Amino acid sequence: DAGVIQSPRHEVTEMGQEVTLRCKPISGHDYLFWYRQTMMRGLELLIYFNNNVPIDDSGMPEDRFSAKMPNASFSTLKIQPSEPRDSAVYFCASDRRGSNQPQHFGDGTRLSIL
Amino acid sequence: QKEVEQNSGPLSVPEGAIASLNCTYSDRGSQSFFWYRQYSGKSPELIMSIYSNGDKEDGRFTAQLNKASQYVSLLIRDSQPSDSATYLCAVNMRGGYQKVTFGTGTKLQVIP
Repeated sequence: DAGVIQSPRHEVTEMGQEVTLRCKPISGHDYLFWYRQTMMRGLELLIYFNNNVPIDDSGMPEDRFSAKMPNASFSTLKIQPSEPRDSAVYFCASDRRGSNQPQHFGDGTRLSIL
Repeated sequence: QKEVEQNSGPLSVPEGAIASLNCTYSDRGSQSFFWYRQYSGKSPELIMSIYSNGDKEDGRFTAQLNKASQYVSLLIRDSQPSDSATYLCAVNMRGGYQKVTFGTGTKLQVIP
């Protein structure tokens, strides 16, 4: 079975540009999570969806960040405008309800804002 | 106080020794506890889950949970250089929806 698929793997862009990160969860998983990982703050949950509906976005740092899940097989995390402090590795993860297992992670997107 | 705390390390142990990784958490109502291993440049990988007080063993790994002390640990027996990684402690503090809070991780170095 294919795992969680993220794209792009690496993104380098200039401050002020719009950045869009993409995620395809594992088929049949009804939970999708977006995380950010930095050296200073570790792994932080930004937002998660259940059945395509955002449940908790309390981890989204600012209004510059937005996430959507238009269908069960696709989600985006968008940063507009981007800033150097947004540089991090962004992970998408998915899971199914009731499994008692935490999330299955994608390979991540390494984002660098210059 | 951070919700989930770990010593950042690095923790250095010789090959074949027991590595002991520790984690404390703040929410006394936490129900589920997890250890992830993360190799440099890779995504986190779940290696252990524990839900009740006591020890849980899986191969060379043992997770220990003490809810009264709000403490969870991971023991790695017969440490191998391939165990060198960062180990993340994660706690599900609210049950229900699968929202998990992570510690910042402990870097383990196993010296050949």
